[in-house]
Amino acid sequence: QKEVEQDPGPLSVPEGAIVSLNCTYSNSAFQYFMWYRQYSRKGPELLMYTYSSGNKEDGRFTAQVDKSSKYISLFIRDSQPSDSATYLCAPISNFGNEKLTFGTGTRLTIIP
Amino acid sequence: NAGVTQTPKFQVLKTGQSMTLQCAQDMNHNSMYWYRQDPGMGLRLIYYSASEGTTDKGEVPNGYNVSRLNKREFSLRLESAAPSQTSVYFCASRVTGVYEQYFGPGTRLTVT
Repeated sequence: QKEVEQDPGPLSVPEGAIVSLNCTYSNSAFQYFMWYRQYSRKGPELLMYTYSSGNKEDGRFTAQVDKSSKYISLFIRDSQPSDSATYLCAPISNFGNEKLTFGTGTRLTIIP
Repeated sequence: NAGVTQTPKFQVLKTGQSMTLQCAQDMNHNSMYWYRQDPGMGLRLIYYSASEGTTDKGEVPNGYNVSRLNKREFSLRLESAAPSQTSVYFCASRVTGVYEQYFGPGTRLTVT
């Protein structure tokens, strides 16, 4: 079993829709949960991160973690064509740990 | 500030040829990483360097060598390229103990 599982998609939704992207993980030691966004033919860039369980909101983006079920979600409200990208989840146990484990990424397309 | 730069952007090799992928960062980061990204596999860590003069294996190190030339530069060498090494290679860096990794634009390598 992979440490981090993510539905690869692709996922296509109309502009303005709410998007839900999800990951599951198996390592109970993970405490920090990051989401990276990767535009086509570019390197990933950090979108946001959360610590432990709960929600964190940043503009139209909300990251949610449920440690009891080892489930991570990223919600995008009022989705825009500029949100079309691949989204990768990346949990880690602590920031002293050099090895970051990425999900496979979900490819998202927002249709105008 | 150029951030993380990678050369070359594209490369085609024949099986058995060797080459070195170059990476440099101008952010004074301690830690540097090499990943490969393949469809359905996500980002996988090849090697990393927690500081100048140290390197460690990641998840998929076979067939690769690395050199941390100085604090700025971290190179990845393929001694005898194989078709299985066809991939997109990303270099990344971060300040040790801080969560965010900064990625370069990638090198697209094809081995025929």
